[in-house]
Amino acid sequence: EVRLVESGGGLVQPGGSLKLSCAASGFPFSSYDMNWVRQAPGKGLEWVAFITVSSNIIYYGDSVKGRFTVSRDNARNSLYLQMNSLRVDDTAVYYCVRDLPVAAADHWGQGTLVAVSS
Amino acid sequence: QSALTQPASVSGSPGQSITISCTGTSGDVGAYDYVSWYQQHPDKAPKLILYNVNNWPSEFSHRFSGSKSGNTASLTISGLQAEDEADYYCSSFTSRRTWVFGGGTKVTV
Repeated sequence: EVRLVESGGGLVQPGGSLKLSCAASGFPFSSYDMNWVRQAPGKGLEWVAFITVSSNIIYYGDSVKGRFTVSRDNARNSLYLQMNSLRVDDTAVYYCVRDLPVAAADHWGQGTLVAVSS
Repeated sequence: QSALTQPASVSGSPGQSITISCTGTSGDVGAYDYVSWYQQHPDKAPKLILYNVNNWPSEFSHRFSGSKSGNTASLTISGLQAEDEADYYCSSFTSRRTWVFGGGTKVTV
C-alpha cells in the first residue's frame, strides 16, 4: 500500500521558517517524481513545487519561488519542503503528492497544516 | 499563472448526469492532454479520478468521464449517486512546466 505521511507543520510567525517532511512507503520512492500541493483553509488547491527522481529538475509555483526549496533523500524515502520568509497567505494544508509522468497526482498524503500568524 | 475557471457549484438528482467545465488557455489546457480531475470530500485529501483527459486510475468508477475541446476540458458524472457529493478540481500541465488547478466545483446531489 502506498503511504505518504507529512510532518513538520505548525504555527509560525510571519517572516519565520519551517521545514516539512514527507515519509514515503509502499512503492519505490526513488523511481517517482514528487510534488507539494497546498490548500488554504476553505480554498482551492494550489501547486507548490515539483522535483524529479534525481533532483536534477525542480520547478516552483510563482507564489513561493525564491522562498521555498524542495529536496529529497532517496536513501531515506523522504521528501522535504524548506519554507523561508513565510507570509500569512502561506497558511494552508500542505500535501505531499506522488507524480504520474503525465502531470497527475495519483497518491496524496493526509496533509500537514502550516499556520502563519503573529 | 491564473487558475483554471470552473463553475462554483453544480447540482443534480440521483441517477442524472452532470457536467463540470474547466476553461484554461492555449498555454495550458489547450496545449496539452495532461488534464486531470480530482475529487475531494470534506476534510479528506483529494483523490485522482481522471488523468490524460479521459483515463481512469484502476480503482475509480467509469461513471466518471472526461473530454476536451480547445481550451476547455469537461468532467461528466453519469448515474449521479449520493457519494458523489464533493468538491471537484481540474488541473493542467502548462507551457511553463508547472501545474495549474481550477478553483473547484461543489457538486450537490
